[in-house]
Amino acid sequence: RKEVEQDPGPFNVPEGATVAFNCTYSNSASQSFFWYRQDCRKEPKLLMSVYSSGNEDGRFTAQLNRASQYISLLIRDSKLSDSATYLCVVNPLTGNQFYFGTGTSLTVIP
Amino acid sequence: EPEVTQTPSHQVTQMGQEVILRCVPISNHLYFYWYRQILGQKVEFLVSFYNNEISEKSEIFDDQFSVERPDGSNFTLKIRSTKLEDSAMYFCASSGQGRFYEQYFGPGTRLTVT
Repeated sequence: RKEVEQDPGPFNVPEGATVAFNCTYSNSASQSFFWYRQDCRKEPKLLMSVYSSGNEDGRFTAQLNRASQYISLLIRDSKLSDSATYLCVVNPLTGNQFYFGTGTSLTVIP
Repeated sequence: EPEVTQTPSHQVTQMGQEVILRCVPISNHLYFYWYRQILGQKVEFLVSFYNNEISEKSEIFDDQFSVERPDGSNFTLKIRSTKLEDSAMYFCASSGQGRFYEQYFGPGTRLTVT
């Protein structure tokens, strides 16, 4: 079973749309959770950490559901610049490596 | 804003050769990592390094690989006897506060083994 699973997409949405990505993780003892974005052939860049109570940063909202072992990312009012691959990242309780999902591809269309 | 830097940006080497990939982590960070990403695939953990020693490594990180922090700023990944399948983007990352905190990635070194 994969540590982290994401729907690879692609998601093609018009500008201004709201889009949501989900991610599931297998280790119930996982400690911390993040969303990164990755542009083509670039490094992953931290988008936001995901806190138990849920958190919002401008147009981006992240939620954590420990009971169902999934995290979500909601993007409101999509911009062309949001086009990228969104990576779900989980840090288990043991060890200090990050487990990456395969990423969800988003294209925002004018 | 502090950032992780990596050199070279692109390295081409022949099969069987040794390469050293270099990274300068963010200056006050204490935890360092190497990841790789084969084209079109997900980012994979290789190794983590803390307090001048390896703290964790993946199955990928076998005897072909080694890491070193030769001075107070550089963090290197050595790949001996490179194989075609070692061709990938190699990312260095660092974290300041510990294993549960955000990691910041360098721009990567694209390694091409011919």
